Amino acid sequence: DSGVTQTPKHLITATGQRVTLRCSPRSGDLSVYWYQQSLDQGLQFLIQYYNGEERAKGNILERFSAQQFPDLHSELNLSSLELGDSALYFCASSVLSGGQRGETQYFGPGTRLLVL
Amino acid sequence: AQSVTQLDSHVSVSEGTPVLLRCNYSSSYSPSLFWYVQHPNKGLQLLLKYTSAATLVKGINGFEAEFKKSETSFHLTKPSAHMSDAAEYFCVVSVRAVGSGNTGKLIFGQGTTLQVKP
Repeated sequence: DSGVTQTPKHLITATGQRVTLRCSPRSGDLSVYWYQQSLDQGLQFLIQYYNGEERAKGNILERFSAQQFPDLHSELNLSSLELGDSALYFCASSVLSGGQRGETQYFGPGTRLLVL
Repeated sequence: AQSVTQLDSHVSVSEGTPVLLRCNYSSSYSPSLFWYVQHPNKGLQLLLKYTSAATLVKGINGFEAEFKKSETSFHLTKPSAHMSDAAEYFCVVSVRAVGSGNTGKLIFGQGTTLQVKP
């Protein structure tokens, strides 16, 4: 158990809908990262928040957004969902900003999203 | 730009025999490299990491990896495979932006599925 929790574990929804994925980092970790794992794209970095501020951005679609709250938990919002958004979404956390050499990211169990 | 290439999408070994999972990296800077493992329906677990200290890195569960700059490789090995090692393994590099240090962004290889036969 990494100490990172994600809810829900599974989500089934329809095209055009909006969903929210939630992540609680390990106690004391200031950074939260979101990744998408799909069969065709593999594991891809979406976005990072550090202490409430956006720190780094990857190939995140405009339909997707995230935020980190004062208690450091984070939410990933996916809107106007398409079939291709079906994937496993991982959250990870690390102690600092990710800028320390070799800083370890601890991954949650993921949320499996199925868009029908 | 940094990248990693895992040379085998699938590796099959017999229990008790050595494991070799190959990874090549590309980086303009001295990279931070990681190996993560993903068991079925589980999250990702860190096996080991290289951060420019010792080139031979020891990880959990008997795994180790050697950083070879001349070959731009970071292969993962284990002397004797166990059935519980069956999983998907990812070689990962940490992105370093020009003019700054490492960022939090990780770039994953495509993964290698390790099958362990009894």
